[in-house]
Amino acid sequence: NAGVTQTPKFQVLKTGQSMTLQCAQDMNHNSMYWYRQDPGMGLRLIYYSASEGTTDKGEVPNGYNVSRLNKREFSLRLESAAPSQTSVYFCASSEQVDYGYTFGSGTRLTVV
Amino acid sequence: AQSVTQPDIHITVSEGASLELRCNYSYGATPYLFWYVQSPGQGLQLLLKYFSGDTLVQGIKGFEAEFKRSQSSFNLRKPSVHWSDAAEYFCAVGARGGGADGLTFGKGTHLIIQP
Repeated sequence: NAGVTQTPKFQVLKTGQSMTLQCAQDMNHNSMYWYRQDPGMGLRLIYYSASEGTTDKGEVPNGYNVSRLNKREFSLRLESAAPSQTSVYFCASSEQVDYGYTFGSGTRLTVV
Repeated sequence: AQSVTQPDIHITVSEGASLELRCNYSYGATPYLFWYVQSPGQGLQLLLKYFSGDTLVQGIKGFEAEFKRSQSSFNLRKPSVHWSDAAEYFCAVGARGGGADGLTFGKGTHLIIQP
């Protein structure tokens, strides 16, 4: 099925460990986004990429890095995980803002 | 910067009853407006969107929303809810003028359907 694919779906990390969340879309969209979702907080933008080769910080970028590997893939890296990064992470893509976004099914990350 | 307020954290509705979920936005011009639905353990699915034209927009699953500029609102409605409508609903606003700086989401309204 066409859409946005995120891996892994679930992950448990120990404090201080690192990991990369993977995201790929097959809709030829230019823009890609990483959000985190926390109870009572809605979705908050971590980083976005307007096009291949560009990335910009969103509302809550601290503790994260991103890579736009090519037009299809946009990864999110936690260099040294902290319990405050326990969250559900969503990747999304869009052709342009008025089309709305297509979301992946999310990665549920727990940092202990 | 744009912002979105969803005043109701939880709403409980009886199956078959009508539904209205409230959304108020703050933005300096006419924004792009969206409603998304999230079922438990799932990603977000686009229900409907407004960016110009008719202020009453129809979406999937029998939902509609009305853009009211004077009230800075974009409330979501459904005439008769089904048990399968139980989910989290998010209103979002996007800035005009292009760019890719992201949609701004409200904190969500959790819809509970009573039998």
